[in-house]
Amino acid sequence: DAKTTQPPSMDCAEGRAANLPCNHSTISGNEYVYWYRQIHSQGPQYIIHGLKNNETNEMASLIITEDRKSSTLILPHATLRDTAVYYCIVRVRSDSWGKFQFGAGTQVVVTP
Amino acid sequence: NAGVMQNPRHLVRRRGQEARLRCSPMKGHSHVYWYRQLPEEGLKFMVYLQKENIIDESGMPKERFSAEFPKEGPSILRIQQVVRGDSAAYFCASSFDRGGNQPQHFGDGTRLSIL
Repeated sequence: DAKTTQPPSMDCAEGRAANLPCNHSTISGNEYVYWYRQIHSQGPQYIIHGLKNNETNEMASLIITEDRKSSTLILPHATLRDTAVYYCIVRVRSDSWGKFQFGAGTQVVVTP
Repeated sequence: NAGVMQNPRHLVRRRGQEARLRCSPMKGHSHVYWYRQLPEEGLKFMVYLQKENIIDESGMPKERFSAEFPKEGPSILRIQQVVRGDSAAYFCASSFDRGGNQPQHFGDGTRLSIL
């Protein structure tokens, strides 16, 4: 199963872009990279996912390196409400379905 | 976390009692997943159900825990004879399909406290 490595914490200034790195050097060709975040006392919130190409939605952008061994989640203009634990997950394949395995994530604190 | 409804949000039980946690998936979703999050830890997968069938229960303790997703009504996670170690947040997620390209959408969880 492909595992991910994320820094345990990072700070970001309000209004600036937040770039969250994730290493997944053992990722397989058919495994997706997913990002979720969990704000204190809430359930995980889906942010974005991708396979090979870079992806963008209303929340964030996902940049995946060409060799797919790492990715970066970009929050373009961080706000205080973006303070959360961010999880980078490789969607492992187990027989016919892909199980999510959450790690420790990155605690992001956005400061005024 | 629009759509996935869990209740109750908080549940207090005494040791030895039963706990029933309910989850209504997003409209149109027939795949339900249960996770447990112990204090200061990440989410751990417990069980995956698809209408009336358990697909994967590899993360669920063999004893005292059971899950169902009937044809009609919400999915239920049932914990019998609760112990202090069952105190945790239990999250339910749902998806439209099981494939790798389908995100799971989570509810806000049930916080279970055992006295």
